[in-house]
Amino acid sequence: QLQLQESGPGLVKPSETLSLTCTVSGASIYRSTYYWGWIRQPPGKGLEYIATIYYSGSTYYNPSLKSRVSISVDTSKNQFSLKLNSVTAADTAVYYCEAAPGTWFDPWGQGTLVTVSS
Amino acid sequence: QSALTQPPSASGSPGQSVTISCTGTSSDVGGYNYVSWYQQHPGKAPKLMIYEVTKRPSGVPHRFSGSKSGNTASLTVSGLQAEDEADYYCCSFAGSNNWVFGGGTKLTVL
Repeated sequence: QLQLQESGPGLVKPSETLSLTCTVSGASIYRSTYYWGWIRQPPGKGLEYIATIYYSGSTYYNPSLKSRVSISVDTSKNQFSLKLNSVTAADTAVYYCEAAPGTWFDPWGQGTLVTVSS
Repeated sequence: QSALTQPPSASGSPGQSVTISCTGTSSDVGGYNYVSWYQQHPGKAPKLMIYEVTKRPSGVPHRFSGSKSGNTASLTVSGLQAEDEADYYCCSFAGSNNWVFGGGTKLTVL
């Protein structure tokens, strides 16, 4: 059964870089046909698509975040990662990693809250 | 791109049916049959309920169904049950490998 788990700092200072990792179990990033990505949810608000990567390295970004976001994959560790630079309080959110077997997102990780504050 | 438009709230009594709308544009909802719906209980991760407008993943009750007309997609929950009380989000492909979500609808079972 495919499962995803986010990890990373829960607190990031303004102007610094947010870094998160998603560990995949139950499937090989390298051998599967899934796309892998990140979605976030500010407290009390809706969902926002961030980015997607395929094991081959092809990447796709939300245009509104593209200038600050980077997604990468480490097939040797069966992990993929997110970096968001120059963060502000508006980047405070629960960050979910997810797998996309097609034009939908399923499953999702449990989510990790990242707070941007000094 | 703007978020898809959903009503902030919806409600129904147990056993009744409720429909949640999701309005976009011809560049997203109207342009592709790639609308999905997610259920989110408080403090939990979203769960896929419908994909590609009308398809239901295994394990999702038949009470949940999806449809689309023009730029508006809809999620219908028939035979409401207490456990259906949750937030529901629609999502659509918006071209150029980008995705847009609705603002969410809080479904209350009276």
